[in-house]
Amino acid sequence: KNEVEQSPQNLTAQEGEFITINCSYSVGISALHWLQQHPGGGIVSLFMLSSGKKKHGRLIATINIQEKHSSLHITASHPRDSAVYICAVRMVRGETSGSRLTFGEGTQLTVNP
Amino acid sequence: DTGVSQDPRHKITKRGQNVTFRCDPISEHNRLYWYRQTLGQGPEFLTYFQNEAQLEKSRLLSDRFSAERPKGSFSTLEIQRTEQGDSAMYLCASSWGFRNSPLHFGNGTRLTVT
Repeated sequence: KNEVEQSPQNLTAQEGEFITINCSYSVGISALHWLQQHPGGGIVSLFMLSSGKKKHGRLIATINIQEKHSSLHITASHPRDSAVYICAVRMVRGETSGSRLTFGEGTQLTVNP
Repeated sequence: DTGVSQDPRHKITKRGQNVTFRCDPISEHNRLYWYRQTLGQGPEFLTYFQNEAQLEKSRLLSDRFSAERPKGSFSTLEIQRTEQGDSAMYLCASSWGFRNSPLHFGNGTRLTVT
């Protein structure tokens, strides 16, 4: 079982729809990242969360530490939002934060016009 | 600031050859990470530097892989005697060294071993 699991693996939506991508993890973490990867490989950091909720434009990220769960929401989706969305966690190792991220497998989002 | 840059973008090599990739992090970042990503999977951690010191290596990093960051700035990742299973996207990321600082990724080097 992966330490970070995302659902769904693939998601197809119509332009304008509200989208939710979920991430569950099984370890103690110090932070959770949501990343966006476009074809060609470049990865862009969208959010880094350790509690609560963050909003940037049409993107909202939430995290529930007790339930070990995070969601990424996209409101009024647009074809340019089509990309792979990746959840990654920085694990707590002993009394210090881990030095690296553990990634989920990603969610391929396609938004059709 | 031009972000994290990686060179080359693409590399095609024959099995058994050695390859070397370069990563130039954001200039003030002291942490540098190498990840490997195969098709349809999330990135997997390979190794991590703080300044010039290599502080962590994944078990994925066999003895054919070596990484350096000699002056604490750019880094190189070398793969010796490449195998077809080494075909992947090799991603570099950098960050500033305080707790939970955000990572900045390069566009990656796509390696194809034929």
